[in-house]
Amino acid sequence: GAVVSQHPSWVICKSGTSVKIECRSLDFQATTMFWYRQFPKQSLMLMATSNEGSKATYEQGVEKDKFLINHASLTLSTLTVTSAHPEDSSFYICSATDGEETQYFGPGTRLLVL
Amino acid sequence: QKEVEQNSGPLSVPEGAIASLNCTYSDRGSQSFFWYRQYSGKSPELIMSIYSNGDKEDGRFTAQLNKASQYVSLLIRDSQPSDSATYLCAVITPDYGNKLVFGAGTILRVKS
Repeated sequence: GAVVSQHPSWVICKSGTSVKIECRSLDFQATTMFWYRQFPKQSLMLMATSNEGSKATYEQGVEKDKFLINHASLTLSTLTVTSAHPEDSSFYICSATDGEETQYFGPGTRLLVL
Repeated sequence: QKEVEQNSGPLSVPEGAIASLNCTYSDRGSQSFFWYRQYSGKSPELIMSIYSNGDKEDGRFTAQLNKASQYVSLLIRDSQPSDSATYLCAVITPDYGNKLVFGAGTILRVKS
């Protein structure tokens, strides 16, 4: 149980384009989903917290207009990186909880912006 | 001061030995503690959670929590080369809502 999927697993895009990443909870209803970013040899950095049906809460320093988060259902949250630039290249990981404190992580999406 | 501190390592142990990973946290009000394992290039996977003082065992893994001393540890018995990974300690602190605060992680290398 507690399986979280992400799609795509990797994506390469041109600078200036937008990229959408999906996060799905496969066998439970995720009341809360989290989006993290991880640069090489660094720990996870929380970007935002999203609750189903409400606006996401962004961490300090994360641009909400650049990283659009939608949590439209209890099993799906999306992160859209708008007007991506090379410095946005990173490993994006989502996690989900079913109302308890334990977070289950998706496999991550590796983004490369050329 | 970092809220969750771990020795970055690498911690090297021979195959079959016990690996001991330590983590300290600053918020005395923290109630929930987690250990995640992260292989290179992969996302974290949950190993154990612990909420009460004392030991919690799951297979070859034992988590130990001491709230008075504000530390949590993870013991891996009979270490295997496949245990080589980065181990992340994570804490939920009241001041940070239900969000995980991660340590920087300890790199473990098990040598065969």
